[in-house]
Amino acid sequence: GAVVSQHPSWVICKSGTSVKIECRSLDFQATTMFWYRQFPKQSLMLMATSNEGSKATYEQGVEKDKFLINHASLTLSTLTVTSAHPEDSSFYICSATGLAVYEQYFGPGTRLTVT
Amino acid sequence: QQQVKQSPQSLIVQKGGISIINCAYENTAFDYFPWYQQFPGKGPALLIAIRPDVSEKKEGRFTISFNKSAKQFSLHIMDSQPGDSATYFCALQMDSSYKLIFGSGTRLLVRP
Repeated sequence: GAVVSQHPSWVICKSGTSVKIECRSLDFQATTMFWYRQFPKQSLMLMATSNEGSKATYEQGVEKDKFLINHASLTLSTLTVTSAHPEDSSFYICSATGLAVYEQYFGPGTRLTVT
Repeated sequence: QQQVKQSPQSLIVQKGGISIINCAYENTAFDYFPWYQQFPGKGPALLIAIRPDVSEKKEGRFTISFNKSAKQFSLHIMDSQPGDSATYFCALQMDSSYKLIFGSGTRLLVRP
């Protein structure tokens, strides 16, 4: 099956700093990538959808200036959490779709802790 | 507005038993109904999926039953094993947008 990786798998940063999370499709070209946030014992909430070379589309209530998404190539999307605060601590998961567009392949997630 | 309602919130089953998780939705515009399995600290993985033109799909021990008129679909895990202990999410998707809308999740514990 298609493989999606994320880096880093976990990160700790201080309040006020920025942190970048990478999402890569390893063996297929991802036409669309999605970013989700998951709080402990809760469901996945879609944050934004990105297409290669286009601006990301953010879900209602997600601050686009705080969560910067760049989809520079067909295999790489990045999420940058700017001026992170403790309430941004969460599990961030990306997914990607390829040729079989109705199937989303998920990355292993990135645990962000803001101190 | 909650577009999909998943139940139960948690489920405990003995090894060898049948685990049943249910989801109900309102909007009939959805085209694709997948189930995802998630282990702690990991991303979700597609388990099985169905389209509304089929009433049932089986893959190994996993079966989706789909009731279009009732707008409900369920996941059945036959001969449940301790390794099946995980959180299961149903989801809805439209072909036009590819966006997934997840249910609230069911934490399954299979006791040896």
